[in-house]
Amino acid sequence: DTGVSQDPRHKITKRGQNVTFRCDPISEHNRLYWYRQTLGQGPEFLTYFQNEAQLEKSRLLSDRFSAERPKGSFSTLEIQRTEQGDSAMYLCASSPPVYEQYFGPGTRLTVT
Amino acid sequence: AQKVTQAQTEISVVEKEDVTLDCVYETRDTTYYLFWYKQPPSGELVFLIRRNSFDEQNEISGRYSWNFQKSTSSFNFTITASQVVDSAVYFCALSDPGAQKLVFGQGTRLTINP
Repeated sequence: DTGVSQDPRHKITKRGQNVTFRCDPISEHNRLYWYRQTLGQGPEFLTYFQNEAQLEKSRLLSDRFSAERPKGSFSTLEIQRTEQGDSAMYLCASSPPVYEQYFGPGTRLTVT
Repeated sequence: AQKVTQAQTEISVVEKEDVTLDCVYETRDTTYYLFWYKQPPSGELVFLIRRNSFDEQNEISGRYSWNFQKSTSSFNFTITASQVVDSAVYFCALSDPGAQKLVFGQGTRLTINP
């Protein structure tokens, strides 16, 4: 059994470009979460899915951010028109209901 | 709103010392879950423990122990006989019973010196 995987691990992009990240959860985990972590801070919740339904989005998730989880399997997080303030580590986690979340290695985004 | 406070930003001890990491939380929920995660230099968050609000029993796992006190809204973590490999950032987190999204504290950077 593999853990949560994320791709890419690192992304450097220029301001104004669009980026997309992918997360593959642990198989059979029906819940999938996205968090963002900036340097020296704890992760902050962005959004979560139960199966393919996106059930909650944080106010941190501006209109430039969109997430999908087609067919309740992998998930993508897209950021349009990136800004320097988007530079952070983007973490994905998965869990069955009412259990602990298991995190992936994260995607580190640098916007230049 | 839920909130987690880890007042200790950094702790540095010598190997084999015992060390306690403090965590204080705020929530209006009567049912909630508390967690500790470890983030080593590699960056990946590693799950350590989950407790629900109805279970105030302390827990011990090897050199790790946790003290949950509802009366003081605290969930402290103690490492006994610390080792260099324990060096990491440790996060305390709180979740609601529904969505179970995690609210993290700011973390405590623990350095164990040989």
